[in-house]
Amino acid sequence: NAGVTQTPKFRVLKTGQSMTLLCAQDMNHEYMYWYRQDPGMGLRLIHYSVGEGTTAKGEVPDGYNVSRLKKQNFLLGLESAAPSQTSVYFCASSYTGGLTEAFFGQGTRLTVV
Amino acid sequence: KQEVTQIPAALSVPEGENLVLNCSFTDSAIYNLQWFRQDPGKGLTSLLLIQSSQREQTSGRLNASLDKSSGRSTLYIAASQPGDSATYLCAVGRTSGGGADGLTFGKGTHLIIQP
Repeated sequence: NAGVTQTPKFRVLKTGQSMTLLCAQDMNHEYMYWYRQDPGMGLRLIHYSVGEGTTAKGEVPDGYNVSRLKKQNFLLGLESAAPSQTSVYFCASSYTGGLTEAFFGQGTRLTVV
Repeated sequence: KQEVTQIPAALSVPEGENLVLNCSFTDSAIYNLQWFRQDPGKGLTSLLLIQSSQREQTSGRLNASLDKSSGRSTLYIAASQPGDSATYLCAVGRTSGGGADGLTFGKGTHLIIQP
């Protein structure tokens, strides 16, 4: 049972490049989330999904897009990367939203130069 | 806007001591509160989940309490061990979102247990 898997684990991008981060969960969870973690800021919610085919904005959605075409996958896209998007990105999933605990992936460390 | 504060930001204690980590939040309309552990370079591991109607949860040497009216939670670690060294994060879910629209996190307490 892999839990929540994030791909890739590390990436360096040049300003203006695009990329997609993949989150996959094998626990049949309805709810999935993307957070970013920055020094001194804590974790902040970027986007989330309450089920297949749904997405919603979190606290810091600008510059990111997401898709949830399959229940087990939640993709985070950066269309034109900026240095301000240098961060560690975490994906999380939960079975019933607030009634059950959230499971986190190991993170993707992204550097934009 | 919900704000979550954790005190202290860092703590270093000798092995074997009992210790308390504090978390406070500004909006008492929370759906739940979770305590997580994060090891360096790793993801978050859920330790305890407290629903808004509950007062405490226990797991092994860990006990978390919740006082919604005062906007406070504490994480009690008994008989600390070097393996407990990590960053501990407190997070709350919003009532308005049914707890489903994500968590608001504190910045964490960096804990070091000295052997």
